[in-house]
This record gives sequence, C-alpha cells and structure tokens, in this order.
Amino acid sequence: EDKVVQSPLSLVVHEGDTVTLNCSYEVTNFRSLLWYKQEKKAPTFLFMLTSSGIEKKSGRLSSILDKKELFSILNITATQTGDSAVYLCAVPHSGNTPLVFGKGTRLSVIA
Amino acid sequence: KAGVTQTPRYLIKTRGQQVTLSCSPISGHRSVSWYQQTPGQGLQFLFEYFSETQRNKGNFPGRFSGRQFSNSRSEMNVSTLELGDSALYLCASSLSPGAGASPLHFGNGTRLTVT
Repeated sequence: EDKVVQSPLSLVVHEGDTVTLNCSYEVTNFRSLLWYKQEKKAPTFLFMLTSSGIEKKSGRLSSILDKKELFSILNITATQTGDSAVYLCAVPHSGNTPLVFGKGTRLSVIA
Repeated sequence: KAGVTQTPRYLIKTRGQQVTLSCSPISGHRSVSWYQQTPGQGLQFLFEYFSETQRNKGNFPGRFSGRQFSNSRSEMNVSTLELGDSALYLCASSLSPGAGASPLHFGNGTRLTVT
C-alpha cells in the first residue's frame, strides 16, 4: 500500500532557527512529490519535485528529493513566526493519480 | 486570477440529514478533486473529476457522491450524515487530471459539523 510518512509530527523552534522537515514515501511508479503549507484552511502549494527537478528553492525555503532513498526534505532558514503552519508532503498514488498525503508536520515558531 | 472558491464556509447538520457542498475551480482549470480532512486521518482523497467524468474515487462509502458540470464547477453530496462525517472538506483544482503533472490548488474548505 502506498505510504507517505512525515517526521517529526510537531516541532517548536525560535525565530531565526533553521528547521528540516522530513518526508519518506513508498509509491509505485513515482512521478512527483509535492510540498504544501497549511496555516488555517487552504493548503498552499510550495514545491513540486520530479525526476527532472530534484531541488527547488524559494526565498528561505528549499527542498530536495532523493529518489534512490525515497525521501524528501524541506528546509526553512531564518524562521519567522509567519512560518508557523502545518507542512504537508504528498505524492500521487501511482503515476498520474490523486495525491496521497502524509499526516503533516506542525511547525511552531516562537519569538 | 481568482482562486478556488468553496461554499458554504460552514455547515451544521444533524445526523441523518444530507448536505451539498459546492466548488468553483480556478478559471481554466478543468480538473477538480475533493478531500476530507480530519485531525486523526489527515487529508483523504474522495473523488476526482475531469470534463464532467469521475476519473478516480477514494475509499469512502456510497453516501458520498459528486458531480462536475460543463463549466468545471463541482458539487459533492453526503447523504444520511453520521457524526464521523464532521470534517473540513477541501476542493482543489488543477490544469490537468492527476497530480503527477500539475499541482493541486486548494480552496479554503467547508467546515461540516454533524450533531
């Protein structure tokens, strides 16, 4: 059965810290891995990683994909209170099918 | 460009009733997916529609149904509501079906409470 496992489940850091969130997956016919940020309601798309794009960066956020070891990490440097959210990792069930989500990592950034 | 719009934002229903939730995708997006989010189970896939056809269905009972209209707007219906149906129902749209090629963009959801 396809699985997406995120760790840690929750994390509390101080402003300015750097955090690393983990996502491991087991799916057949891997095509892509996606990261989302969910603050209150709508998950907001962050990155999509594929075989042809295994590293993405946007401002203080970056993500890499290790297809051999079947995991991805999301790094946030110089964290701010506005980074507090649940970060979700997801992969298509098989190839080009709907997303299977991990349970998420709840990040709390305190001043 | 307007995002994904879901209505209503909140709903309170009693057991046994039925409910209809609505979703308007981003303009130009023809694929619509529905997810149920609960604290215990996280985000779970309900259905995916493309060009008015159900393309995929998750592991939910037949009380959960949906449809898509010619303008890509979608509705989902839950009949004979149970307490366990209380959840945040999220709709997402994308340019093409399946999430392997184009990312999903989510609406703010409908919070359903069943009493």
